[in-house]
Amino acid sequence: AQSVTQLGSHVSVSEGALVLLRCNYSSSVPPYLFWYVQYPNQGLQLLLKYTTGATLVKGINGFEAEFKKSETSFHLTKPSAHMSDAAEYFCAVSGTGGDKLIFGTGTRLQVFP
Amino acid sequence: DAGVTQSPTHLIKTRGQQVTLRCSPISGHKSVSWYQQVLGQGPQFIFQYYEKEERGRGNFPDRFSARQFPNYSSELNVNALLLGDSALYLCASSSDRGTDTQYFGPGTRLTVL
Repeated sequence: AQSVTQLGSHVSVSEGALVLLRCNYSSSVPPYLFWYVQYPNQGLQLLLKYTTGATLVKGINGFEAEFKKSETSFHLTKPSAHMSDAAEYFCAVSGTGGDKLIFGTGTRLQVFP
Repeated sequence: DAGVTQSPTHLIKTRGQQVTLRCSPISGHKSVSWYQQVLGQGPQFIFQYYEKEERGRGNFPDRFSARQFPNYSSELNVNALLLGDSALYLCASSSDRGTDTQYFGPGTRLTVL
């Protein structure tokens, strides 16, 4: 069975500050890990994904995440927050066969000027 | 290229009614998945179809059904609507049911009164 836990349903940062959104996963098979972003009244947009290989993954809009197997974590970071980063962020896991995505409950990021 | 499209955008139904939601995948994509996102939660997997066959089903009652057409578009049907079916219904497509990324449409917002 697979599951995802996102620590912190709300995160607030100042513009220009570091963004850190936490995600821990549980998987009985080598996981594929994803971060999606959802803006109000919109669908999900892929930020980045980890499948195999390099554990530091770079995505769009300056975001990156590091796969740490020993910690079963896949935290999302961005060095400097921008007002346009305010949105809901979802971490998701799937098995190596693709198939369904298992999502966390999401973290709402607020960015203050 | 056009992304995943869904129709209608919004829908209001009353309890006991039936609803059909439609999804057109990205051109060339053969796999379609459906997810339900209740307000304040992460998306929950409902169905996956690949090459017109059901390849996966989430923990949803038999009131939920779906199908995929020869052109790879898909419909999600929900019978005997309950208030708890009110949610954003997301469709995602991928080129294969394997390791490929799922790309999401904007969703259909269903309100059951």
